Amino acid sequence: NAGVTQTPKFQVLKTGQSMTLQCAQDMNHNSMYWYRQDPGMGLRLIYYSASEGTTDKGEVPNGYNVSRLNKREFSLRLESAAPSQTSVYFCASSEVRWYEQYFGPGTRLTVT
Amino acid sequence: AQSVTQPDIHITVSEGASLELRCNYSYGATPYLFWYVQSPGQGLQLLLKYFSGDTLVQGIKGFEAEFKRSQSSFNLRKPSVHWSDAAEYFCAVGAGNSGYSTLTFGKGTMLLVSP
Repeated sequence: NAGVTQTPKFQVLKTGQSMTLQCAQDMNHNSMYWYRQDPGMGLRLIYYSASEGTTDKGEVPNGYNVSRLNKREFSLRLESAAPSQTSVYFCASSEVRWYEQYFGPGTRLTVT
Repeated sequence: AQSVTQPDIHITVSEGASLELRCNYSYGATPYLFWYVQSPGQGLQLLLKYFSGDTLVQGIKGFEAEFKRSQSSFNLRKPSVHWSDAAEYFCAVGAGNSGYSTLTFGKGTMLLVSP
C-alpha cells in the first residue's frame, strides 16, 4: 500500500497563477483533509471531506477550493496564487473524521 | 470546541536521557488523543493513540503516553532518547463520534538531541 500520495512534491508559482494539488489514498478511507503548515503556526486545516460527496471549510479556506473527485482522490486548487500561500501543504485521510489521520509527504509551494 | 496546548516550543535533551513532552487539552467529554512525529521534510507519522481503557498507552519507537483526566493531560514519554528522535512532535485531540469536528492539532514541540 502506498498510503497517501501527493503530487507534485515541489512547485514554484508566480503571483496570479493557478494550480491544483493532487492527493490520493489507497486505504479505503472515508474522510480526507488538506492542511497547510507554516513555521510557528502548526498545522492549519484548509478544507476537509468527511465522506465522498461532501466538503467543508476548515480554519483557513480563503483563496482555496477543493474537489472530492471520488473516494480515493481529493484535490486542492489555488485559483490565483498569492505570496501568502507560500507554505507546505499536507493531505491526510482517516477512516472517519474522529479517528487517526494518515498523512502524505507534503507539497512545498513557493509563490513569488 | 476542543483545543490543544503544547507549552514547550523547543526542548533539548541529551542522548540517553529520558524525555517528557507535555500536552494539555480542553474538551468536556472523554477525548480521543494522539501523538504524531514529523521528521524534517516528511509528513506526520502516528506514534500512538488513546481512545479508552488503560490510561497508559504504548506506541512505536519506544514511546508511551499517559492520559490523566484530572489534569487534562496526555504527556509523551521515552525512557532513553536516541539521536534519531530529533524531530517535531504534535499532540492532537478529537471529539469522537459525538462531536462535529475533526482532529485539532497543537502547534508542536521541536525536540533537539544533544550528544
